[in-house]
Amino acid sequence: GQQVMQIPQYQHVQEGEDFTTYCNSSTTLSNIQWYKQRPGGHPVFLIQLVKSGEVKKQKRLTFQFGEAKKNSSLHITATQTTDVGTYFCALATGGNTGKLIFGQGTTLQVKP
Amino acid sequence: DTEVTQTPKHLVMGMTNKKSLKCEQHMGHRAMYWYKQKAKKPPELMFVYSYEKLSINESVPSRFSPECPNSSLLNLHLHALQPEDSALYLCASSPPGGNQPQHFGDGTRLSIL
Repeated sequence: GQQVMQIPQYQHVQEGEDFTTYCNSSTTLSNIQWYKQRPGGHPVFLIQLVKSGEVKKQKRLTFQFGEAKKNSSLHITATQTTDVGTYFCALATGGNTGKLIFGQGTTLQVKP
Repeated sequence: DTEVTQTPKHLVMGMTNKKSLKCEQHMGHRAMYWYKQKAKKPPELMFVYSYEKLSINESVPSRFSPECPNSSLLNLHLHALQPEDSALYLCASSPPGGNQPQHFGDGTRLSIL
């Protein structure tokens, strides 16, 4: 079945530094979703990308979908302590099932 | 505030007990999901209900029994669980169809003694 690989697994940054997490697939993705899970919390939907080469921004967060629709990235500019958590990419497998396949997640720690 | 409400928040049960997890949403979503999440791992899909009918069962052991009494409620009945079933159980909902964002509840943290 389809899989999506996410790297790195962990990232420790100093507050104010930038952060990027990457998702890669060996097959073409129909779309990709990004979720954030704070420590002790639940996943919260951030964004969905569907178009080749798509770039979307949410304040300090920039999401990209590769031209070949096989990879995606989330970049945070000037991290803050509120950015701490685990960021998951998730592949919606299409059809009408609503099934999501999650990447392994990248856990971000921010040192103040 | 989460729009998907799960109860209880914590549950400790023995291997011979029967208990139920409950999930409720009032967003008019017609797709509801159960996920299992172990520490430091991504959520793993267990069941999908679409229009109150079970559409996906990800080969989940029969000791987990889902139920969708109406479009707002989703239950997960538990019986004879094993210690390895200890995990965070997340409920989610979304509009029906593929490629929809999912709204998660806070989860039930389950411990099996």
